[in-house]
Amino acid sequence: EADIYQTPRYLVIGTGKKITLECSQTMGHDKMYWYQQDPGMELHLIHYSYGVNSTEKGDLSSESTVSRIRTEHFPLTLESARPSHTSQYLCASSAANYGYTFGSGTRLTVV
Amino acid sequence: KNEVEQSPQNLTAQEGEFITINCSYSVGISALHWLQQHPGGGIVSLFMLSSGKKKHGRLIATINIQEKHSSLHITASHPRDSAVYICAGRNTDKLIFGTGTRLQVFP
Repeated sequence: EADIYQTPRYLVIGTGKKITLECSQTMGHDKMYWYQQDPGMELHLIHYSYGVNSTEKGDLSSESTVSRIRTEHFPLTLESARPSHTSQYLCASSAANYGYTFGSGTRLTVV
Repeated sequence: KNEVEQSPQNLTAQEGEFITINCSYSVGISALHWLQQHPGGGIVSLFMLSSGKKKHGRLIATINIQEKHSSLHITASHPRDSAVYICAGRNTDKLIFGTGTRLQVFP
């Protein structure tokens, strides 16, 4: 049973729309991450958080933004979606001396 | 040169075969993770290793810290093991990913 939940699972939207991808975890993990992955390619870290009110940009530049107002919730927002944002977005969480738990991902298509 | 490298990139096997996937890393890490990604896209964490060996069902993971090398073994492989297997080194709370090994097991 998943302890980290991502919604929606699939999303097709038009260019210029604002979207928010949701990620919630029930494990009380301090650390949360957003990864972007194109088909058949590696995962790239785009945002991470070490706790409430802490957010940092990852290794891959992204036009998205994130917030961490509650420990369990780490949403990702695109203010104006473009076709170049088409990708899979994976959320993950971890705690000290604990492995990573990944969500099922959101597959985003911008038309 | 990637900081975490995996081999082989692609692997096909007949059901029942013993499979080995290798991972080498060139950076300092506090732990090494083995992940499994099915075609649907979701990722499952299989192992987190900082030393020695771990076993879970038909899966075995080993790590040699001195040689900076880890292996994932699958005994008695099954078509449901078909997936992409990814090793990732944990460095200051971030994961450095290998490029993945695509495994296909045929009946």
